[in-house]
Amino acid sequence: GENVEQHPSTLSVQEGDSAVIKCTYSDSASNYFPWYKQELGKGPQLIIDIRSNVGEKKDQRIAVTLNKTAKHFSLHITETQPEDSAVYFCAASKAGGGADGLTFGKGTHLIIQP
Amino acid sequence: NAGVTQTPKFQVLKTGQSMTLQCAQDMNHEYMSWYRQDPGMGLRLIHYSVGAGITDQGEVPNGYNVSRSTTEDFPLRLLSAAPSQTSVYFCASSYGQIGELFFGEGSRLTVL
Repeated sequence: GENVEQHPSTLSVQEGDSAVIKCTYSDSASNYFPWYKQELGKGPQLIIDIRSNVGEKKDQRIAVTLNKTAKHFSLHITETQPEDSAVYFCAASKAGGGADGLTFGKGTHLIIQP
Repeated sequence: NAGVTQTPKFQVLKTGQSMTLQCAQDMNHEYMSWYRQDPGMGLRLIHYSVGAGITDQGEVPNGYNVSRSTTEDFPLRLLSAAPSQTSVYFCASSYGQIGELFFGEGSRLTVL
């Protein structure tokens, strides 16, 4: 089955700096790569996703890049703000995000230092 | 707009007791699933359903049972609770195989 590795497990950055979280996946057939943000005491929420026919996608301060050859994808957050503090999960799926097809990474705790 | 609603939010059980975690969604989603979240382990799929009357096992199904009699509801049953089932449980739903998973706020279960 699919295996998703996520690094680092904890990331501390100064407010205003950029943060990068990296994930690798094992199954070359995976074609959908979402990122979820989980705030304390809440369920994860989708923040951005990318499909295998696209190399990069941006949404304001958030961007995701995908390298299919190397089987890795990354989340980039620019101009970090205190509200960016949360746990972030990457995931990969062959079925495009359905309940049976999504494999999650173990998460990155992002800490924004004031 | 309620989205995905889970109850209870907190529960303490003794080893061997049974209980049901409730999950309901009001978005008319066909796909529903249950995950457990443990420190350092991420989210692991327990069971999922692709529609009313259809369920299947995920990565960690042992000790859990599910049913899907309606589109809206997807309860998770713990048959005989064990300390290893201490975890935070999340229910999620999605419209189809492609797209966003909507999560509930979680149910924290402690088994003594």
